[in-house]
Amino acid sequence: ETGVTQTPRHLVMGMTNKKSLKCEQHLGHNAMYWYKQSAKKPLELMFVYNFKEQTENNSVPSRFSPECPNSSHLFLHLHTLQPEDSALYLCASSNGGNTEAFFGQGTRLTVV
Amino acid sequence: TQLLEQSPQFLSIQEGENLTVYCNSSSVFSSLQWYRQEPGEGPVLLVTVVTGGEVKKLKRLTFQFGDARKDSSLHITAAQPGDTGLYLCAGATSGGSYIPTFGRGTSLIVHP
Repeated sequence: ETGVTQTPRHLVMGMTNKKSLKCEQHLGHNAMYWYKQSAKKPLELMFVYNFKEQTENNSVPSRFSPECPNSSHLFLHLHTLQPEDSALYLCASSNGGNTEAFFGQGTRLTVV
Repeated sequence: TQLLEQSPQFLSIQEGENLTVYCNSSSVFSSLQWYRQEPGEGPVLLVTVVTGGEVKKLKRLTFQFGDARKDSSLHITAAQPGDTGLYLCAGATSGGSYIPTFGRGTSLIVHP
């Protein structure tokens, strides 16, 4: 238990569906991140939020839409995804100024 | 270009053997983290090294930060099947942002 919870753990969706991934942290951290992990690729940073403000968008396609309503919650809204978007999506949190990141267990996404 | 290079990419050994994995960069890091990730799970933080030349031990795991803070190594003594996983290093460069940047990882399999 790292203090970061992601739901759902597994998700299968069609290319025309709309779904959302949820992340919640109980560590009092002020920074939250979305990473994508595909087979045989390094962790790819997608989005960064500091104090609820988006500070980084790493050239992510618009079919991925993040939302951070407060410092403890982070969402990733998905729509019209492609099969190549199938991957493990990881949420993490940290204190600003500290690169020690605490990860959730991830959501295994399969786009069919 | 990958900021952090990890080697070897894959390692398959027998229980009881020793091993060392490496994390190298041309950049200077203000701090560096090592994580272990099991299949289908998120990375779990093992250690942070901050000072050049620093050595930290975690049971059978020994972590070293290079004197110039550009590289790090992880040595495992008498590996066990439970050590199996993906070992990732991550860090932030001096004067840069505090967004954790990850290497590709070393995938370790320890056979009983």
